[in-house]
Amino acid sequence: NAGVTQTPKFRVLKTGQSMTLLCAQDMNHEYMYWYRQDPGMGLRLIHYSVGEGTTAKGEVPDGYNVSRLKKQNFLLGLESAAPSQTSVYFCASSYAYRTDTQYFGPGTRLTVL
Amino acid sequence: DAKTTQPPSMDCAEGRAANLPCNHSTISGNEYVYWYRQIHSQGPQYIIHGLKNNETNEMASLIITEDRKSSTLILPHATLRDTAVYYCIVRVKDTNAGKSTFGDGTTLTVKP
Repeated sequence: NAGVTQTPKFRVLKTGQSMTLLCAQDMNHEYMYWYRQDPGMGLRLIHYSVGEGTTAKGEVPDGYNVSRLKKQNFLLGLESAAPSQTSVYFCASSYAYRTDTQYFGPGTRLTVL
Repeated sequence: DAKTTQPPSMDCAEGRAANLPCNHSTISGNEYVYWYRQIHSQGPQYIIHGLKNNETNEMASLIITEDRKSSTLILPHATLRDTAVYYCIVRVKDTNAGKSTFGDGTTLTVKP
């Protein structure tokens, strides 16, 4: 039982490049989330999903897109990366209508030059 | 979801109890109090949650005041490995909102 995994762990992009961050969970959780963490800003919710095929905006969704084609995977895309998107990205998942405890992945450190 | 206020930092001696306060004066009746912690460079880890009764598990105890406007997370015998940022959040359980923004938290430093 791997829990929540994230790929890649580190990435450096140039401004304008695109990339996709992959989050996978093997706990059969309904809910999945993408957060970003910046110094002095805590964790901020980007997008979330309450089930396969559904996504919704969080607190800071601009510049990001997401997809949940399979229940176990939640993808975060950056179409045209900007230096302001330099951050550590965390994925999380949780059961729906139960404890709502979130389980977090190890994070992806992204630098946009 | 209601906002929370936590002190930015606290120190605790190893082996002593660490008491981390959280104010949530605008909490509504159906909002739960959750605590997470984040050890440096790792993803946040769930600790405990509660509605109005005190709760205890293998990691910590959660004391919620009768008016529910504040709570305290207690680590009974802090160790050096408990050094982390502790986040207190309040949110409605079992909703489709799924929104959960973590604030700045309290940086707990456990000293030998």
